[in-house]
Order: sequence, then structure tokens, then C-alpha cells
Amino acid sequence: VLTQSPATLSLSPGERATLSCRASQSVNTFLAWYQQKPGQFPRLLIYDASNRATGVPTRFSGSGSGTDFTLTISSLEPADFAVYYCQHYYNWPLTFGGGTKVEI
Amino acid sequence: EVQLLESGGGLVQPGGSLRLSCAASGFRFSDYAMSWVRQAPGKGLEWVSYVLNGLRTTYYADSVRGRFTISRDNSRDTLDLQMNTLRAEDSAIYYCVKHVSSWQHFFDSWGQGTLVTVSS
Repeated sequence: VLTQSPATLSLSPGERATLSCRASQSVNTFLAWYQQKPGQFPRLLIYDASNRATGVPTRFSGSGSGTDFTLTISSLEPADFAVYYCQHYYNWPLTFGGGTKVEI
Repeated sequence: EVQLLESGGGLVQPGGSLRLSCAASGFRFSDYAMSWVRQAPGKGLEWVSYVLNGLRTTYYADSVRGRFTISRDNSRDTLDLQMNTLRAEDSAIYYCVKHVSSWQHFFDSWGQGTLVTVSS
């Protein structure tokens, strides 16, 4: 089970966002982060806990291993207000966290 | 450019069946594992089912095992999901997703999704 916190993060453009994902058991670094905007499919941001996917801006960074993971957005831009999901791929079944909504 | 185009969604009564399809293009379909992921309206993401690229290895979420069957046709570059004994809680947008590789089980490409509504 992946637990994301907080459920909602209210911030202003330019601020730093710190999102947490906690696993009920170790998933090593087999963790990905996705961004989903309203009416769109999710977009891969981070894989292997800390590697940015192709085309992802450097303001997005991931860290952690084992059971505790963090997605950091160093300086929020208007396009970053969205819902973020973590997903483990350590074993089957694959699972997603419940999501964190980053709102203005 | 990778494209995944789902079809087959719609309104079905509880206990009914539906078959979803996904047409893939822009990549060598037979080289990649594929999955279905769903999202109930206003809710989070749920992985549903997986099929390996060339072998007959499949996995299912507990919530659908025994009712859903995933399959693929590498000669036609298509991925299917046969859904039987549908329940109200199966109502969701169903996304066809491409794994990064056969052994890296996260997703780098998503379709636009097809909506399934189970209601009487």
C-alpha cells in the first residue's frame, strides 16, 4: 500500500512543493511519479525514485528509497498545479498512491 | 510518435460484458509489455491487468481476477480487455498503457482512455 500525503497542498507560484509517498513495505527504489491534469491522462515525471523522465523540467526532483519517498517541485509554475501520483513496481500487484492535489 | 487508441467503452448493465480494445502505433508493439489502468470518476489510478510482450504471462488485480481477461495480438498491434460479470465499481475510464520495457513496470505512454459505465 502506498500512502501519499498531504491529500491537498495549497501553495502559490514560486513556492516549493514537497510531496510524500510512503510504502507499507520496502520497494527499494522501484517507484515512479506521475502528474495528471484535469481531463488528461497521467504523465510520467520520475522513475527509479530519482530519475527524471525525458522532457521533464529540472525543477522536479525525486528522492528516497525503501519506504519513504519525496517528490519536490523547487519553484511552482502555473502549469504545475495538478494531481500527483506515486506508483511502485517492486512486485505484483502494481499499485498507485491515492494522489496529492497541488492547488493554488 | 507513440499512439494508443482505446475503443469499446460504453454503458452496460451489472452482470454484463464488454470488450475493450487498444490500437497501438509508433513503436514496435511486440517488444513491450502492456497494461490496462483504470480511474473511477474523480478517483485515483488503479492498475488492472498486465501482459508480457512475447509470452503468455499475464497478471491481474485482485478486484478483477477471474472476471477480466487481457490479451494481445502482436500481428495486429492490438491489446484487448474482455470484461465479464461487470459490477458498478468497475465504472471508470480505462487507459491502455505501455510499459517502458518488458521488465520495467512503469508507464511512459498512455492512451486517452475509454469510459465504461456499469449501471442499470
